[in-house]
Amino acid sequence: QSELTQPPSVSGAPGQRVTISCTGGSSNIETGYHVHWYQQLPGKAPKLLIYDNTNRPSGVPDRFSGSKSGTSASLAITGLQAEDEADYYCQSFDDTLTVWVFGGGTKLTVL
Amino acid sequence: QITLKESGPTLVKPTQTLTLTCTLSGFSLSSSGVTVGWIRQPPGKALEWLALIFHDDRKRYRPSLKSRLSIMKDTSTTQVVLTMTNMDPVDTGTYYCAGGRYNTGYYQIFFDAWGQGTLVTVSS
Repeated sequence: QSELTQPPSVSGAPGQRVTISCTGGSSNIETGYHVHWYQQLPGKAPKLLIYDNTNRPSGVPDRFSGSKSGTSASLAITGLQAEDEADYYCQSFDDTLTVWVFGGGTKLTVL
Repeated sequence: QITLKESGPTLVKPTQTLTLTCTLSGFSLSSSGVTVGWIRQPPGKALEWLALIFHDDRKRYRPSLKSRLSIMKDTSTTQVVLTMTNMDPVDTGTYYCAGGRYNTGYYQIFFDAWGQGTLVTVSS
């Protein structure tokens, strides 16, 4: 069980907006450790989508955005496309466990 | 262009030692604010951070695996090697090396360059 909790799955129709939550606690997100997001397409390595809570690396479409508040963070995807179907992971640091921690992952299905 | 490539055995026996090499290209481990880490993923499961090494040779390990892990870099900083002792079938999974960066303290590391991963199976 991860210190960062994500919903196992979310779904949406093409063109819709979906959000994926990442809930932590006082030893990670709430303390001020940044949250980063990764997309993992089937059979592929993870790819960085969002870093330092809200920043997009070059080449990542602005359909992807991140936010953080209190003990949780969220990844929003607007204008959903079939190619967005993947697993999504949040990542932060936990100072009780002293580990760089990943969430359990969320499978996004595009209906 | 930044590339990282893992190499090593695809099959190890229980109790053996696993040695994986990450070869870096276009990525320098000689600058501050940069790190290389190893992250694994059991089949169908989530990502799990294992170890990190920094430009100044500082190392960090997952506490629960610290006694079994060792990470080192060569003097040219173009290769990073992970060794994991006493392998068990539960250690089966895909092992990734990843290039990490941080802007405001090394706790804020994010991984912006990943290798393709190498599947390691532990079985007799």
